[in-house]
Amino acid sequence: GAVVSQHPSRVICKSGTSVKIECRSLDFQATTMFWYRQFPKQSLMLMATSNEGSKATYEQGVEKDKFLINHASLTLSTLTVTSAHPEDSSFYICSATTDRNNEQFFGPGTRLTVL
Amino acid sequence: DAKTTQPPSMDCAEGRAANLPCNHSTISGNEYVYWYRQIHSQGPQYIIHGLKNNETNEMASLIITEDRKSSTLILPHATLRDTAVYYCIAKNYGGSQGNLIFGKGTKLSVKP
Repeated sequence: GAVVSQHPSRVICKSGTSVKIECRSLDFQATTMFWYRQFPKQSLMLMATSNEGSKATYEQGVEKDKFLINHASLTLSTLTVTSAHPEDSSFYICSATTDRNNEQFFGPGTRLTVL
Repeated sequence: DAKTTQPPSMDCAEGRAANLPCNHSTISGNEYVYWYRQIHSQGPQYIIHGLKNNETNEMASLIITEDRKSSTLILPHATLRDTAVYYCIAKNYGGSQGNLIFGKGTKLSVKP
């Protein structure tokens, strides 16, 4: 159990376009989902915390108008990178957790390349 | 959350035990020690967590010193598939609001 999926696993887009990444908890209800970004040879950096039915909380330095997060249900959160630029190229990873335990279950990640 | 310190890299022979140290000298009384690992180009995977007592599960054992200022993750029989970056994180056990702060971790290379 406790599987988190992400879609797509890899995406290449042109500069200026928007890209949506989905994060789903497949067999549990996730009250909280987290979005992380990881640049090559670096550690994961938290971007935002998303609670179902409420606005996401963004970390300092993360533009909320550029990285739109929607957590419309207990099993789905989406991250939209708007007007993507080459510097947004990164590995985006989501995680989900429940109220019943403190394990965070991570998705497999989405590799975004902006040309 | 308390800061943790880990060696940047370690090697281990296949079949031998891998002992990964973590220093968390400023850990507070209500902070747990969590271990995750990340295999290349994948999302992190939960391994184990503990507060005071040593813990063991099907993946690993966690040994926490009595003063809780350091801990060791033990992979009893390392395989090539255990090659990954291992992260030690100190975090409050508090509902679902606690995000994880990832440091640089230890890159474990298991060699044949």
